[in-house]
Amino acid sequence: EAGVAQSPRYKIIEKRQSVAFWCNPISGHATLYWYQQILGQGPKLLIQFQNNGVVDDSQLPKDRFSAERLKGVDSTLKIQPAKLEDSAVYLCASSQEGGNEQFFGPGTRLTVL
Amino acid sequence: TQLLEQSPQFLSIQEGENLTVYCNSSSVFSSLQWYRQEPGEGPVLLVTVVTGGEVKKLKRLTFQFGDARKDSSLHITAAQPGDTGLYLCAGAEAGGTSYGKLTFGQGTILTVHP
Repeated sequence: EAGVAQSPRYKIIEKRQSVAFWCNPISGHATLYWYQQILGQGPKLLIQFQNNGVVDDSQLPKDRFSAERLKGVDSTLKIQPAKLEDSAVYLCASSQEGGNEQFFGPGTRLTVL
Repeated sequence: TQLLEQSPQFLSIQEGENLTVYCNSSSVFSSLQWYRQEPGEGPVLLVTVVTGGEVKKLKRLTFQFGDARKDSSLHITAAQPGDTGLYLCAGAEAGGTSYGKLTFGQGTILTVHP
């Protein structure tokens, strides 16, 4: 079974630029999560999708972050414009509907200069 | 907002030593998970504990969920260099729109020297 795929693996941008991350969850997983993991900290949930609907985006900085999962499969997370404090690893995870176990992708390491 | 405090934040030990990592909260969780994360990879689930007082063993790793389901511990016996990594605890909320939502601790970075 293929795992959660993410791209790109690394991205370096300058502040005020835009960036987008892509995630393809495990086939059949209805729930998709985006996390932000700052160096030295645990992952923080940004947004949770159930199929193509948003379940929780309470910690998503909506003035600059957006995410979509139009067809209920893969998802895109965008930052526009980026700030220095957005430097982090962005993790995507998926789980079966009603499932307790989340499967994580390798993450995208973003550096904002 | 539910918070999880992990301790210690850093642990550097010699091969063969034992260690315990703690995860504490003032909130009750429906279940608690432990993950291990290696550099450049996403977290990988080690175990889920659900029942208060539950103890689970995974080879040299022993996980315990507190009776009140507010805290947990991870004990490693005879640590090996391959155990090196970031250990994360995560509490799961239950019910309504919060179902499946995980709150992570800040992690414990474990280094086991040969």
